[in-house]
Amino acid sequence: EIVLTQSPGTLSLSPGERATLSCRASQSVSSSYLAWYQQKPGQAPRLLIYGASSRATGIPDRFSGSGSGTDFTLTISRLEPEDFAVYYCQQYGSSPPATFGGGTKVEIK
Amino acid sequence: QVQLVESGGGVVQPGGSLRLSCATSGFTFTNYGMHWVRQAPGKGLEWVAFIRYDGSNEYYADSVKGRFTISRDNSKNTLYLQMNSLRAEDTAVYYCAKDQMATTTTFFDCWGQGTLVTVSS
Repeated sequence: EIVLTQSPGTLSLSPGERATLSCRASQSVSSSYLAWYQQKPGQAPRLLIYGASSRATGIPDRFSGSGSGTDFTLTISRLEPEDFAVYYCQQYGSSPPATFGGGTKVEIK
Repeated sequence: QVQLVESGGGVVQPGGSLRLSCATSGFTFTNYGMHWVRQAPGKGLEWVAFIRYDGSNEYYADSVKGRFTISRDNSKNTLYLQMNSLRAEDTAVYYCAKDQMATTTTFFDCWGQGTLVTVSS
């Protein structure tokens, strides 16, 4: 089973700053089958990025994903007030079919 | 627009059973695989089960294998999760989620609002 480790656990930043979130896999993620989700309190997760770097429909271009193999990054170029949330990475294409990282909370500094 | 609406959650005693439903609309249900994903209070996300577009194959997390059964009724555009032999550690919000593929597990492009299952005596 591929284990995903997200860091940092919490990121304290101000609106307008750049956020860099890391997701590291215990073994190579095939074909960059990695997705990122945003979850706000009391809400369901929302798909942001799939295939490591493709933005989902309606996602602003301040969100970008990169990486391959075992190291992946979600970058938010300039934080908006609505971006403060918890972010999860997820791998697919291996067994078990889907696993999530533990999450990174982006909070207002 | 795409809508996924879960129902059937509640409080159940350890060892008991519960059946969750997920009514869908706004997309061609018969073209996509579907999942259940859960989130324990204050914790992260855990994938639970997947069913192919036609119901021909199912996959389960080890933590629920043999106790939970995922199914679908394509005539009703509805997904189900039958949960038996429930344990305290099954307490979570259960989300149904749509895959963007029909036969393999990829990512979850639409989610329901979730239904809370509490296993407690």
